[in-house]
Amino acid sequence: AQKVTQAQTEISVVEKEDVTLDCVYETRDTTYYLFWYKQPPSGELVFLIRRNSFDEQNEISGRYSWNFQKSTSSFNFTITASQVVDSAVYFCALSEHSGGYQKVTFGIGRKLQVIP
Amino acid sequence: DAGVIQSPRHEVTEMGQEVTLRCKPISGHDYLFWYRQTMMRGLELLIYFNNNVPIDDSGMPEDRFSAKMPNASFSTLKIQPSEPRDSAVYFCASSARQAGGYTFGSGTRLTVV
Repeated sequence: AQKVTQAQTEISVVEKEDVTLDCVYETRDTTYYLFWYKQPPSGELVFLIRRNSFDEQNEISGRYSWNFQKSTSSFNFTITASQVVDSAVYFCALSEHSGGYQKVTFGIGRKLQVIP
Repeated sequence: DAGVIQSPRHEVTEMGQEVTLRCKPISGHDYLFWYRQTMMRGLELLIYFNNNVPIDDSGMPEDRFSAKMPNASFSTLKIQPSEPRDSAVYFCASSARQAGGYTFGSGTRLTVV
């Protein structure tokens, strides 16, 4: 079984603050993939990042950064100097080999509100 | 590239009616997924296809739900008969790789009254 856990409470920050969204996962596989997706108020789901289980290097993309720690089964997402446009629901997801195929499970999503 | 195209964007129907949701994946993507999103259950995978063949439909909630992919550029998700509890946003996604990252369509918001 696989499981992705994200805090359910909505988080609000003031513009320009940094914010970290936590993601904890459970899997028995040694090879797996982790993802973050963004769902802005308009409703579409936007792919942000894909990371495989063998690559624990942190990644930075502009104001976004991701911290992957296998020891704690966490894949946290930090937004630096948040902006109003960052307001969205953010989903963490896990892809695990299941029955011969990869199956992606999404976390419940965490809503971020950036206040101007 | 136009991305994943879903239609309609919104659908309101009466209980008992048949509903058909449509999806055109990105050209060249071998994997197509149907997800349902509700407040209570979040994003749930309903079914996915590889090269037009259904691979895993264990997420399809009931026999009232069926999905087809007659060719590489088109898929449908049908609910017959529809019930109010089917009200949700249905997303189609496609991918060139089995293990994500998916490109999602804009979704179809279905309301069954």
